[in-house]
Amino acid sequence: GPKVLQIPSHQIIDMGQMVTLNCDPVSNHLYFYWYKQILGQQMEFLVNFYNGKVMEKSKLFKDQFSVERPDGSYFTLKIQPTALEDSAVYFCASSFAGGAEQFFGPGTRLTVL
Amino acid sequence: GDSVTQTEGQVTVSESKSLIINCTYSTTSIAYPNLFWYVRYPGEGLQLLLKVITAGQKGSSRGFEATYNKETTSFHLQKASVQESDSAVYYCALGEITNTGKLTFGDGTVLTVKP
Repeated sequence: GPKVLQIPSHQIIDMGQMVTLNCDPVSNHLYFYWYKQILGQQMEFLVNFYNGKVMEKSKLFKDQFSVERPDGSYFTLKIQPTALEDSAVYFCASSFAGGAEQFFGPGTRLTVL
Repeated sequence: GDSVTQTEGQVTVSESKSLIINCTYSTTSIAYPNLFWYVRYPGEGLQLLLKVITAGQKGSSRGFEATYNKETTSFHLQKASVQESDSAVYYCALGEITNTGKLTFGDGTVLTVKP
């Protein structure tokens, strides 16, 4: 079936540095999402993105977070600067429509030291 | 806000036995939400198992069933006879019927099927 890819699979960085997580969504999908899962906790919605704009974001989507998808390339989540509490697995998802089935990537494990 | 509760963190069942994984939900929306079961098999990404968008309806896939019960606000996952290949992590999720597609997940239930 359709696949969402995430690059890299693991990322280790020092606190205060910038990090960019990359997502290659399903090719004809129009809606894009990021979810965050801290070890042992629920997977939580961060943000969704459609037509070049953020449609909805949660309280977890801090000012240090940003998303973009320039010219149909990767859908990215940038964190600048990173903090210790940003350590988690970040899952990207995409869907053809807002209420349609979301296809998830395998996740990027981010460790902030 | 919305919340989803899965009471069992881990479930172990012998092959060919029946299974039930409990899920209850809560929402502040006046409209009935969409309900989902997602599954993550070992080494793979999260994938949709089944979805029900109408209260009172039942969804089914790969031998699994779940009925949307608005009276008890439940969406339990059941299977009459499990197989070893069903071993995975199962997540119940709620989606509001808005255009944003935001999903609220439960904690997940690790299912281990013993041969």
